[in-house]
Amino acid sequence: AQKITQTQPGMFVQEKEAVTLDCTYDTSDQSYGLFWYKQPSSGEMIFLIYQGSYDEQNATEGRYSLNFQKARKSANLVISASQLGDSAMYFCAMRPIKAAGNKLTFGGGTRVLVKP
Amino acid sequence: KAGVTQTPRYLIKTRGQQVTLSCSPISGHRSVSWYQQTPGQGLQFLFEYFSETQRNKGNFPGRFSGRQFSNSRSEMNVSTLELGDSALYLCASSARTGDNEQYFGPGTRLTVT
Repeated sequence: AQKITQTQPGMFVQEKEAVTLDCTYDTSDQSYGLFWYKQPSSGEMIFLIYQGSYDEQNATEGRYSLNFQKARKSANLVISASQLGDSAMYFCAMRPIKAAGNKLTFGGGTRVLVKP
Repeated sequence: KAGVTQTPRYLIKTRGQQVTLSCSPISGHRSVSWYQQTPGQGLQFLFEYFSETQRNKGNFPGRFSGRQFSNSRSEMNVSTLELGDSALYLCASSARTGDNEQYFGPGTRLTVT
C-alpha cells in the first residue's frame, strides 16, 4: 500500500517569490512514479510534473521543479516566481509502476494563496 | 483537441435514489479512471477501465459500479445513494493504462439530500 503525506494544509506566498510544497511518501514498491497536480477552484485537476523513482535527475517543467530525495522519501514541489494564477490546491500523488494501471494515491493537498 | 468532458456538471439526488455519471475521454484515449473527492476523505480512486475492461478497483462498496463502451466513453453508477456519497466525482483519461500523464475532466458535483 502507498501513503502520501502533505503536512502543509495552507500557505501564503508573495507574488514573484518561490514556494516549496512538502510531500513525503511511504511505499513498499521498488519502482514507482510521483506526481504533482494543481486543482484551481474550478475543480479540474491539472498535471504539473512527474518523477520516476529511478530517475537520477530531478524533474523540471517550466517554473515547476521536483526536489526528489529518495532516501528521505520526499518529493517536494518548488514553484519559482509565483504568479496570481498559481493560487490553487496542490496535490502530491504516486502510483507503483510495476503493477501498471492508472491508480493514483493522493495526499491531502496544500492550498496556496499568492498575494499581490 | 477537446478535453475530457463530464456530464452532468451538477446533480442533486435524494437518499435511496441511484445516479449515473458520464465521462467522455480525449479522442484516442482508451483508459478512463474515476475518483471521488470529499473534504473528509480527500481524493480516492474508484476504478479504471481500459478497452472496456475494468483494470483496477478501489475500496468502495458494490453500490459503486462502472462500465466503458467501445468508443471509450465511461459511465459510473451509484445505487441506493447515501448522504456520504455527496462529493466531486472526477474522471481522468490517458492514451494507455500506465501512462504518466492523465488528463482530468472538470468533475461532476453530486449532492445527496
